[in-house]
Amino acid sequence: GAVVSQHPSWVICKSGTSVKIECRSLDFQATTMFWYRQFPKQSLMLMATSNEGSKATYEQGVEKDKFLINHASLTLSTLTVTSAHPEDSSFYICSARVTRQGGRGYGYTFGSGTRLTVV
Amino acid sequence: LAKTTQPISMDSYEGQEVNITCSHNNIATNDYITWYQQFPSQGPRFIIQGYKTKVTNEVASLFIPADRKSSTLSLPRVSLSDTAVYYCLVSLNGNTGKLIFGQGTTLQVKP
Repeated sequence: GAVVSQHPSWVICKSGTSVKIECRSLDFQATTMFWYRQFPKQSLMLMATSNEGSKATYEQGVEKDKFLINHASLTLSTLTVTSAHPEDSSFYICSARVTRQGGRGYGYTFGSGTRLTVV
Repeated sequence: LAKTTQPISMDSYEGQEVNITCSHNNIATNDYITWYQQFPSQGPRFIIQGYKTKVTNEVASLFIPADRKSSTLSLPRVSLSDTAVYYCLVSLNGNTGKLIFGQGTTLQVKP
């Protein structure tokens, strides 16, 4: 259980265009989702936290107008990279927080990631 | 948010037991300790989670001392397919629950 489906797995776009990445929770409702980006040989960097029905909370240094996050339903969060440039090329990963049974804390399940290449 | 410190890299051979230790000196009372595995170009995959003492599942064991300022992930009899990056994270059992990734440990299993 607790599967997150992320699409597309890879995308190539031209500089200046926008790209949307989708993250769906398949068998549970995800009130909270997180978006990360990862550069080669580096760790995951948290970009923002999205809560269903409210505005996303962005980490310091992340441009909210460039990385638009929408979490309109309990099963879908989207990240749109607007006016993409080559420096936005990266691996983007979404994650959903899952409440463990018995109140034993939270689990986090991750999407398979999206490789974005801006040319 | 508790910061974690792990070795950057480790080498091992097939069939050996691998222990990766993580330091989290500022862990709070409500924090859980979770380990993830990540292969190249894939999202992290949950391995194990614990709060205190010892937790064991079908793939790993997690040892947490009484003061909870560190934890050790134990992988029994590793194989080549266990070559990956392993992340130790401390998560809040609270409203935000943001997962902040440290540098992780790159485990290289050799034949």
